[in-house]
Parts: sequence; C-alpha cells; structure tokens
Amino acid sequence: DAGVTQSPTHLIKTRGQQVTLRCSPKSGHDTVSWYQQALGQGPQFIFQYYEEEERQRGNFPDRFSGHQFPNYSSELNVNALLLGDSALYLCASSLYGRDSNQPQHFGDGTRLSIL
Amino acid sequence: AQKITQTQPGMFVQEKEAVTLDCTYDTSDPSYGLFWYKQPSSGEMIFLIYQGSYDQQNATEGRYSLNFQKARKSANLVISASQLGDSAMYFCAMRERGSYQLIWGAGTKLIIKP
Repeated sequence: DAGVTQSPTHLIKTRGQQVTLRCSPKSGHDTVSWYQQALGQGPQFIFQYYEEEERQRGNFPDRFSGHQFPNYSSELNVNALLLGDSALYLCASSLYGRDSNQPQHFGDGTRLSIL
Repeated sequence: AQKITQTQPGMFVQEKEAVTLDCTYDTSDPSYGLFWYKQPSSGEMIFLIYQGSYDQQNATEGRYSLNFQKARKSANLVISASQLGDSAMYFCAMRERGSYQLIWGAGTKLIIKP
C-alpha cells in the first residue's frame, strides 16, 4: 500500500526564483493538503485540493499556488521566493469529507532552503 | 489567540516509564476532532491517535491513549512503557467541523533516556 510520496526531498533556491513541489497521495485518497513547517514550529496550513479545486486556503500570499491533477496528485508552486520561505513543506492526503474524524496521512516532506 | 497549546517544549523520560504530553485547545464549535502526530528527526509526520468531541470513551491505540477532558478542553497523550524509539517531536492538532485544515500546536520534544 503506497503511502504519500513527495519530491524532491531537498531543494536549494535563491531569492526571487520559483519552485514547484510535487505530491502523490496515498492509494485510495482523493484530497491533498499542503503545510509549511518552519524550523522548531508546528505546521501551518497552506491550502487543500479536492476534485482539482482549491477548497480552503490558509493565511498565505498569492505567491503560493497549487494544482491537483485528475489522478489526485498535486503540485505546490511558490513564486518570488523569500528567505522566509525556507521550511519543510509537508503534503498530506485523506478522503474528502466535512467530518472532522478523517486523519490526514503525511509524506516525508520537501526541505526547501532559500539562499 | 492560540487554538492549540502545548506547554511542554521538551521532556526527558526514563525508558519503560509512562509519559503524559499535555494539550489544551480552544474552540466554540461543538463538533471537532483532536489528533496526535509523532515527527521523528527524519521529518515524516506519523498519525498516532484520534479523539472526536462526541466520543464517550477515551481513545486508545496500542501503547497510546488519550486523556480527554472536554470541560477543561484538554486532550493529553499518554504513552505507556516508553521505548527509545519514542524519542521524537509530538504534535497535537485540531480540526473543526466544516473546516479542512488541521490547526497545530508548537509541539513537545520527547527524549527517552536508556
């Protein structure tokens, strides 16, 4: 049973560049959420995708955008990178539903460093 | 205002002892779910246990149990018979009904001593 997979594992970029992170959900899941985790902090919700649409967005600027494909995989794009974007980016998948009892399953994350 | 508060930044516990990690939360929604995750140094976030706001009994999963006190808005994680492999960051998170996001605490770093 394949879990959530993310690529790449590590990435180094410079300020002003653009980056794309990728995520494949756990088999059977149809919903993908993205989180940013700064060093020493808990994750912060960026957005969630279901049926190729953004369903909810956290407090992140428009520089952060995403996409979900028909096979449920997802991309996170960040434009005009800032030093403060350095973080671990976590992708989580789940079954869609408004019930609060659906656990989200996470990948290993992409560690993004901005120089 | 902080919705999830974990007051213990770090804890040292002797191997084989039980440990309690504290979590308090704040919500006005009567329907919500509480989750605990473990994050080893490798970075992966591992789901441990879930407690629903309407659940009558405290959740248990193997060595993990949740001490849920709804009136006090606390959901403490109890790990019985701790093992060296339990050393990790532990996060408490909440999801309110109708919301898709998990709201996270700052985490507790647990170190198990041999």
